[in-house]
Formats: sequence, C-alpha cells, structure tokens
Amino acid sequence: AQKVTQAQTEISVVEKEDVTLDCVYETRDTTYYLFWYKQPPSGELVFLIRRNSFDEQNEISGRYSWNFQKSTSSFNFTITASQVVDSAVYFCALRRGSTLGRLYFGRGTQLTVWP
Amino acid sequence: DTEVTQTPKHLVMGMTNKKSLKCEQHMGHRAMYWYKQKAKKPPELMFVYSYEKLSINESVPSRFSPECPNSSLLNLHLHALQPEDSALYLCASSQEVTGDQPQHFGDGTRLSIL
Repeated sequence: AQKVTQAQTEISVVEKEDVTLDCVYETRDTTYYLFWYKQPPSGELVFLIRRNSFDEQNEISGRYSWNFQKSTSSFNFTITASQVVDSAVYFCALRRGSTLGRLYFGRGTQLTVWP
Repeated sequence: DTEVTQTPKHLVMGMTNKKSLKCEQHMGHRAMYWYKQKAKKPPELMFVYSYEKLSINESVPSRFSPECPNSSLLNLHLHALQPEDSALYLCASSQEVTGDQPQHFGDGTRLSIL
C-alpha cells in the first residue's frame, strides 16, 4: 500500500525564521515519484518540485530546498527566511511508477508565517 | 496565472438543479483529472481521462458525470447533488497519465449545495 505521512498539521513561525516541513512515505515500488504542492487560500495547488526514486540529489531553488533520503523514506522541504507570502497548506504526494495518474497525498501542513 | 482554467469560480445550487463545471487547458496535455477537496483535507481523485477516454472512475456516485469533448476540455455534469457534495472541485492536467510529469491544477470551483 502507498502512504504519505505529514505529521505536522500546523506550523506557525515568525517572518525570517527557517522552517522544515516533514514528509515520510511508504511504498514497495522501486520506481516512484514524489511531489510537493503549495495551496494558498485561493485554492489552486501550485506545483513546487518533483523527484524520482532514482535521483536522491537534494535541490535548492531560491529560499526553498528539498532533502530526499531513501534510507529514511523522507522528502522534507525547508523554507529559509520565511515570508508572509509563504503562508499556505503544503502537500507532499507520491505517484507510483506503474499506476495511471493517481497521486497519493499526505494530509497537508498548514504553515502560517506571522509578520 | 494558472494555465488550467476552471469556471465558474463559485457555484451555489439546489439539490434538484443540473449544472456543469468546466475546465480548459491549452498546454497540449493528454491527461486530465477531476478532484474533490473538503476543507482541511487533501484532494481526492474522482476521474482520470487519458487521450479523451475515461481511464479511472474512483467509484464516484452517478450524480457526477464527467465528459471530455476534446483534448483541451473537461466537464463535470452535476445532477441531484447532496449537501455533503459541497466542496472545492479541482481540475488538473498532465502531459501523460503515467510517468513523472507533474499535474497542473486550476483554481477550482467552490460548490455549495443548499
């Protein structure tokens, strides 16, 4: 069975703090894909990053960075120097390599950044 | 601006009404999706279309009827809905239905059933 766990339901930080959102996944597949999405109050899910199971290289994009570790089945997301505009719900999701289209979402982490 | 356009943004309807949600993308994607999202929950997959053919129906009640008239358009026809169907309905598209290509989502339609 596929499962994505985001243990942090809500996180509150003050602007300029660093924050890490945790994501732990379960799958027996050798080929799979991991995604992070951001959902602001407007409702749209905004794609942030994709990682496939064969690429454990960490990635940095501006203030965002991602740490993929197969040994711990984790794909954590760090925002450096957080800003109010980062306030949103963040979803981690997994797609199996062999399954048509299905995304397995975690329950999401509500991040609130206070000025 | 999102590249997946959904209309209307908000919809209020009675349980006996018939209405349709519309979704359009011009990215040349061949896979399109409908999701339902309740407050404080992740999106739940409803339907998947691949090359205009229905590939997945997640045991959705027949009061929801999807339609894919062409590769750019996806509709969701609604009839005799229940109050528990009130939710945010999200449309998404991706290049193909398999592989590592991400799904791109629209802003959604906020549906309220009276």
